[in-house]
Amino acid sequence: DAGVIQSPRHEVTEMGQEVTLRCKPISGHDYLFWYRQTMMRGLELLIYFNNNVPIDDSGMPEDRFSAKMPNASFSTLKIQPSEPRDSAVYFCASSPFSGSFNEQFFGPGTRLTVL
Amino acid sequence: KQEVTQIPAALSVPEGENLVLNCSFTDSAIYNLQWFRQDPGKGLTSLLLIQSSQREQTSGRLNASLDKSSGRSTLYIAASQPGDSATYLCAVGTYSGGYQKVTFGTGTKLQVIP
Repeated sequence: DAGVIQSPRHEVTEMGQEVTLRCKPISGHDYLFWYRQTMMRGLELLIYFNNNVPIDDSGMPEDRFSAKMPNASFSTLKIQPSEPRDSAVYFCASSPFSGSFNEQFFGPGTRLTVL
Repeated sequence: KQEVTQIPAALSVPEGENLVLNCSFTDSAIYNLQWFRQDPGKGLTSLLLIQSSQREQTSGRLNASLDKSSGRSTLYIAASQPGDSATYLCAVGTYSGGYQKVTFGTGTKLQVIP
């Protein structure tokens, strides 16, 4: 398996633009997570899905952020409109266990810069 | 709210030395704890996962222990090598408000000097 795949790896955009980050989890994994990492706040869980259903989005910073998982092999995290404070590295991770969180496997991340 | 602290924030050791990284958490009602390493500009690589019912896990030169009652975990690295240089993060899994939560520590940046 190729592991968790994220695209793009780097994104530079201007304030106010829409940004869409993409993730392909490891095949067969039940859980998918979106994280954000900044120097100031470290690694924060934004939202997670179980079997394509959003379970907890309490970590999503505000309404400008939205996440979808239309099928078991694809998820998106969208920011609209983007702001400079959204600049961060966004990670997607997946986990194979259905009873409770098991080992998480991370993608390489998307480095987002909002000018 | 679960808070996870890692001390020290940075550590520099000569090659070959054994070392211990610490992770402490405030809510002992966890269901697992995972140790990761992160190389600069890269994602996180899982090192060891300890379920709440376990006391320790070992993989090669790495040994992770868990003491739920005291809210602590340690990652022991034996015979450190320059390739071990990275940031090490612990992540604690808990239940909160009916949801499963994962809280990461701030990490320990390790430098192993040849």
